[in-house]
Amino acid sequence: AQSVTQLDSHVSVSEGTPVLLRCNYSSSYSPSLFWYVQHPNKGLQLLLKYTSAATLVKGINGFEAEFKKSETSFHLTKPSAHMSDAAEYFCVVSSGYSTLTFGKGTMLLVSP
Amino acid sequence: DTGVSQDPRHKITKRGQNVTFRCDPISEHNRLYWYRQTLGQGPEFLTYFQNEAQLEKSRLLSDRFSAERPKGSFSTLEIQRTEQGDSAMYLCASSLRALAGGPNTGELFFGEGSRLTVL
Repeated sequence: AQSVTQLDSHVSVSEGTPVLLRCNYSSSYSPSLFWYVQHPNKGLQLLLKYTSAATLVKGINGFEAEFKKSETSFHLTKPSAHMSDAAEYFCVVSSGYSTLTFGKGTMLLVSP
Repeated sequence: DTGVSQDPRHKITKRGQNVTFRCDPISEHNRLYWYRQTLGQGPEFLTYFQNEAQLEKSRLLSDRFSAERPKGSFSTLEIQRTEQGDSAMYLCASSLRALAGGPNTGELFFGEGSRLTVL
């Protein structure tokens, strides 16, 4: 069995300040972990993925995430938020040969 | 645009009617997935195809739902005798797997979805 828990349904930041979106996962096997972003009226887009290589993963648009097995976490960070980062973010897990399981999402709000 | 396309983008129907959604994946992709997303929730897996074979179905896919991918290219998702609880965004995604049944370590490319409203 596999699941993800996104700890915040909404996160509000000011432009230029750091972003932290939290995700914990549960998996019976060594997981693959992903972050997807969904802008309004747009399809889901992959931000980054972890597949058992380096634990610190860099993605597009300055985002990165760190896989911490001891904490079963895969938090998404960005040093400085931009207005265009406002969107919904999904943490996703896949174990072995199973399909992707999405979290409920975190809405990121960026104020000027 | 050579991404995943879905049609129609919006569908409003009355309870009890049948609806069909179409998905055209990225042409070289051999896997095609259907997900459903309701308000405040993340996408939930419904089913997926490797070429024309339907390899897995979620328990969410009741017997009123049927999906096909007859020639291993486009796919259709039909919902018969729609209910108000079927109202959701239906998402299609595709991916390329070099090995049949290989692990999910790659990227899914999503379409913009088909929004269904059942009155």
